[in-house]
Amino acid sequence: GAVVSQHPSRVICKSGTSVKIECRSLDFQATTMFWYRQFPKQSLMLMATSNEGSKATYEQGVEKDKFLINHASLTLSTLTVTSAHPEDSSFYICSARDYRLAGFEDGQYFGPGTRLTVT
Amino acid sequence: DAKTTQPPSMDCAEGRAANLPCNHSTISGNEYVYWYRQIHSQGPQYIIHGLKNNETNEMASLIITEDRKSSTLILPHATLRDTAVYYCIVWGGDDKIIFGKGTRLHILP
Repeated sequence: GAVVSQHPSRVICKSGTSVKIECRSLDFQATTMFWYRQFPKQSLMLMATSNEGSKATYEQGVEKDKFLINHASLTLSTLTVTSAHPEDSSFYICSARDYRLAGFEDGQYFGPGTRLTVT
Repeated sequence: DAKTTQPPSMDCAEGRAANLPCNHSTISGNEYVYWYRQIHSQGPQYIIHGLKNNETNEMASLIITEDRKSSTLILPHATLRDTAVYYCIVWGGDDKIIFGKGTRLHILP
């Protein structure tokens, strides 16, 4: 099946700094990617939908100025956590769907996740 | 909000079949039932999906009731590596996936 990668897998940053997380579709083009956040012992919470060439759509309660999303190409979406604080420490996961597939096939493909720790 | 309800946790003995139930009473006619699992600190992994008919692949079987209001994921011979959180999802394919709380499956040696 298709593969989605994320970089970095782990990052530690100091409070007040910004961190960029990359999500790549490795063998297919993804016009739409999704970003999730997951706190310990909790489920994945959808943060935003990233659309290639247009603005991202954010879920209710997610600050768009804090979580900047850029989907500059059909294989890359980036999530930048600006002015990070300890409460932003979380597991960030992206996903993408291969729209070439006529049916829904494997659904969406999920990246391996990025563990962000803000000190 | 998620359109599915699952028990928060289940235990299964190693080598036995694990049967994970899911209720999705408000499923629409064009929505599929998908199952994913998430092993600790990894991204979700696709398991299986179905619309109306029962499905089987190398990982699992999916049994969907005739009224489509519930389904069961069956792992035929559970191993310790099947310990994970299992998510049942209803998805029409054209929009975002919303995760419920899932079932934490413990495989007991």
